[in-house]
Amino acid sequence: AQSVTQLGSHVSVSEGALVLLRCNYSSSVPPYLFWYVQYPNQGLQLLLKYTSAATLVKGINGFEAEFKKSETSFHLTKPSAHMSDAAEYFCAVSDYNQGGKLIFGQGTELSVKP
Amino acid sequence: DTAVSQTPKYLVTQMGNDKSIKCEQNLGHDTMYWYKQDSKKFLKIMFSYNNKELIINETVPNRFSPKSPDKAHLNLHINSLELGDSAVYFCASSQERPGWGTGELFFGEGSRLTVL
Repeated sequence: AQSVTQLGSHVSVSEGALVLLRCNYSSSVPPYLFWYVQYPNQGLQLLLKYTSAATLVKGINGFEAEFKKSETSFHLTKPSAHMSDAAEYFCAVSDYNQGGKLIFGQGTELSVKP
Repeated sequence: DTAVSQTPKYLVTQMGNDKSIKCEQNLGHDTMYWYKQDSKKFLKIMFSYNNKELIINETVPNRFSPKSPDKAHLNLHINSLELGDSAVYFCASSQERPGWGTGELFFGEGSRLTVL
C-alpha cells in the first residue's frame, strides 16, 4: 500500500525565514500528491496538488512543492514565513492500490517566531 | 455559503450514550467521506459514500453507522459511545469517487466529540 512519511512532527522558523516541510511517499506508480493545511480549530484546506503535470507546483499563500520521482519526495517550501503560516500541514497521497483513497501523513506543526 | 458543513461543531457526552453528527455539501459532489482525527492529529478514513452507495468501509467498530439519505448528505451515528471515540470527526467530499479523479477532498470544519 502507498504511504506518506512526513519528517519532523514539529518545525519552528523565524518570521521571514525559509519554510521547508518534508514529505516522502512510497508508490509503485506515479501518484497524485497533495499538501493540506489545518489552522487551529478548522478543517483541512488544500494548499496545492501534483497530478502528473509540472513537477514544480505552486499553491496558495506563496507555497510551492516539487515532485522528485528519483527521491520519492514532495517537499513543501515557502521563501519567507509569515506569522499567519503557523498551522498543521499534512502531506497526502492517492492510494491506487486501495481504491484511490487519500492517505495522509502524520502532519507537521509549523511554528513561526517573531 | 459553506461548501461542506457539519453539525454540531462540539459534542460532549457520557459513555454509553448514542450521538449523531450531520454533514451536508453544496458542491454538487458525488462522493462523501468521514475521517477521524485523533489526539495526535492523525487522520484516518472511516467511510465513503458515492451517490448514496457505501464504497469504503474501513475497520471501524459496528457501533459506527453512516447513512446517506442523498448524495449531498452524509450522517454518522455512533452507538454506545466509549472514551476512545473522543476525537475530531471530519466530513469531506470529492467530485469523483476514489480512484477516478485526482482524489482532491474538500473538508468541513470538523466536529469535536468528547466522551466523558
